[in-house]
Formats: sequence, C-alpha cells, structure tokens
Amino acid sequence: GDSVTQMEGPVTLSEEAFLTINCTYTATGYPSLFWYVQYPGEGLQLLLKATKADDKGSNKGFEATYRKETTSFHLEKGSVQVSDSAVYFCALLYGGATNKLIFGTGTLLAVQP
Amino acid sequence: DVKVTQSSRYLVKRTGEKVFLECVQDMDHENMFWYRQDPGLGLRLIYFSYDVKMKEKGDIPEGYSVSREKKERFSLILESASTNQTSMYLCASSSTLGRELFFGEGSRLTVL
Repeated sequence: GDSVTQMEGPVTLSEEAFLTINCTYTATGYPSLFWYVQYPGEGLQLLLKATKADDKGSNKGFEATYRKETTSFHLEKGSVQVSDSAVYFCALLYGGATNKLIFGTGTLLAVQP
Repeated sequence: DVKVTQSSRYLVKRTGEKVFLECVQDMDHENMFWYRQDPGLGLRLIYFSYDVKMKEKGDIPEGYSVSREKKERFSLILESASTNQTSMYLCASSSTLGRELFFGEGSRLTVL
C-alpha cells in the first residue's frame, strides 16, 4: 500500500547550518506531497506542498521538490534558526476519493545557538 | 483563521472508563479526522468523516468509535479505555477534496 519513509531523528544542527530531511514515498498513481511542522506543544501545521511531478513547494525559507523519478520529496533549508526546532512530518495524499493523508514517522530537528 | 479546538489538552483516565474527546471546527469544513500520534509511529488515522452522520474507518479503528451529529463537531469515543490507548490524539478538518488539513493542538490522554 501507499507509504512514506523519512529519515529518523533527531537531527541536531548549529544555527545557520544547511538542513536536509529525506523523504521517499511509495504510492499508486500521482499523489500530492506535503511537509507539516509541529512546534513544541502545538498541533501540526502545513509547511509546504507540491501536487505534481517537478513542482517545488516553498515557505519560510524551506523548499522541497517533487521528484517522481526517485519518488522523493526531501525538505531543505539553507540556513536554519533556533526557531526552526520542531518535528517535521512528510505526508502524501492517499489515492482515491477522499483526502486522507498518510504520514511519515516524523523527524525531530534541534537547532542549537 | 481556521480554528480547530479540542476540548481537553490533558486527560487522565482509568482502565475501563468511557472517554470522550471532542473537536470543533469553525470553518464549515466537510471533512474531519481523528489521528493518534505515537513516538516512532508518526500519525495514524483512526476514523474520518466526510459529512454529518457519515464516518469511515481509518487504519486503526479498533477500540474506538466516533460521532458526528453536527457539521462542526466530531467526537472520538473510547468505550472502555485501555493502557495501550495512552497517546496524543489529534483532530483535523479540511474543506474540499485534496485540500490542506488544519489540526487542533492535540489531547494527551493517559490511561492508568
């Protein structure tokens, strides 16, 4: 069935370092892909999304490109800040008639000053 | 702004108790969802609803039921709580198919 695999954390970086969080997926058809972020003590919020191959989603300095050939949607940021410390979830939109999301296991990012 | 409100942030219940988790959204969304979040497992879908009085099982519905009597409210019910239901529960809503999910802040349930 459809699934999402993302790199395990925690990922610990110094402020201004480059960030990559890997995400690969298995799906039938052409799913939409998402990155959600969960800040401490809060619910999830959408960070960015891409709905078709080669689309690039971007928000708050984060980017991810929908790569159909490698079934990947890796999250990147050129210079992380302490305020980016959070759990990041990759997700795909389940195929079919409903908008159920399938989530990865989440990656904890800790940015140190 | 879309707001999804979960009635309780923290609950402590005893094994065998009946537990109600309430969720209300204020944006007239058709779709509502209940997920549970556990370390190392990510988010897993328990139940969802795409219309009033309609419900469908997600990936892990065993031990849970839901109720959607009004469009804005979606309740998760644990008929007889067990310790393996200790978890963070997240409610979400969305409008038309394929759109963004908006999440509540979560309800952390501990079953003793």
